[in-house]
Order: sequence, then C-alpha cells, then structure tokens
Amino acid sequence: EIVLTQSPATLSLSPGERATLSCRASQSVSSYLAWYQQKPGQAPRLLIYDTSTRATGIPARFSGSGSGTDFTLTISGLEPEDFAVYFCHQRSNWPQTFGQGTKVDIK
Amino acid sequence: QVQLQESGPGLVKPSETLSLTCTVSGGSISSRLYFWGWIRQPPGKGLEWIGSIRYSGNTYYNPSLKSRVNISADTSKNQFSLKLTSVTAADTAVYYCARKWNYLDFWGQGTLVTVSS
Repeated sequence: EIVLTQSPATLSLSPGERATLSCRASQSVSSYLAWYQQKPGQAPRLLIYDTSTRATGIPARFSGSGSGTDFTLTISGLEPEDFAVYFCHQRSNWPQTFGQGTKVDIK
Repeated sequence: QVQLQESGPGLVKPSETLSLTCTVSGGSISSRLYFWGWIRQPPGKGLEWIGSIRYSGNTYYNPSLKSRVNISADTSKNQFSLKLTSVTAADTAVYYCARKWNYLDFWGQGTLVTVSS
C-alpha cells in the first residue's frame, strides 16, 4: 500500500498569504495524484486531479505541481473560504490511499 | 448535477453488520464511465478507501477490509450498498459514498456510524 505523508499537519496563515502544502508518496504514483478540500461537517471537494488539472469551478488561485513521489498544492492568495483541511489522494496503485491531511487555519 | 445520499442506521452493536445504502440521482449507476465507491473517515482522522463497484457488477475492495466487506448494486433503484460484518469500535466513522471516474468528483454528505453496545 502506498503511504501518502502530508506536511505540515497544520499551517497557520493570514488571508492573502500564499499557502504551500506538501504530499510525499512512499513510492512513485506517476502523476496520478489529486487534492481535495474539506470543511467541517462537509464532504471533501475535488480541487486538483492528475497533479495539476483544476476540477470544474475551482478558482485559478489553486494550483498543483510535482511528479513521482513529491507533490505540492499552492494557494496563491488565501481567501476566507479557503481555511479548511486538504487531503491528497493517489490512484496509481490499489488500494487507493489518502494522506492524513493538512489543516490550513487562520493565524 | 449528480447527487448521492447515504442512509442507514447510525448505531451498530459490536460484532454485528453495518449496512448502508447510497441513493444516486442525476446520473445512472449503470453508466460505463464510473465506479461507485465507499470511503470512511474515523473521527478526527484521515480518509480510508473501502471499495467500489462498477456497472458490470465487478467489485474492488481494500485488502485490509476485504474479508468483511460486500458492496452490491440495485440498478432498478439506482442504489448501491455497503455491508461490513463483525464490526468493532474501530469501525466507528463517517461513511461517504462517492462517484469515481479516475478521482472522486461527487460525494454524499456522509453518515456517522457509531459502533457501541
């Protein structure tokens, strides 16, 4: 099973700042990695898939990069609605797995 | 717009079987394009893939749960279901159903299932 390790566990930032979230895989997942946003009491929402493609309706301030084992989600200027938990997800190997999440909270 | 809604008991006793149903609207579970899956999230923890089913009826289970899991579909009702046997407190979680093409693009709101006597 591929283990996805996200860092940091918590990121404390102010609105308008840039957020950089990391996801590291225990073995290569090629480009088959996605990012989801989850707010309290809500289901996750797909943000980015195949490393860097934004899902429908996702603002351009969200971007993804990386390949192989190291991936990054960048939020270029945090809006109030962006404070949430972010998960990465790999579909390269079965079973598909998720990272433990990075919480982006207000500083 | 595809919508998914989980339903089932919120409380299950240890050693019994957890049973949930996901009702899909705005799209057909018979579509060849998608898988239909179950994911769970223990309180305060990350997400765990349980398994999925395709239009053909083929199922795919997480090896860590495979001996206890069964996913089935009822195309006449546009529903798919999860059964997890011999539950323990470790199975307490929010259970989500979701649609998967390559990734999970539509999710239900989730339902909390607590395993307790």
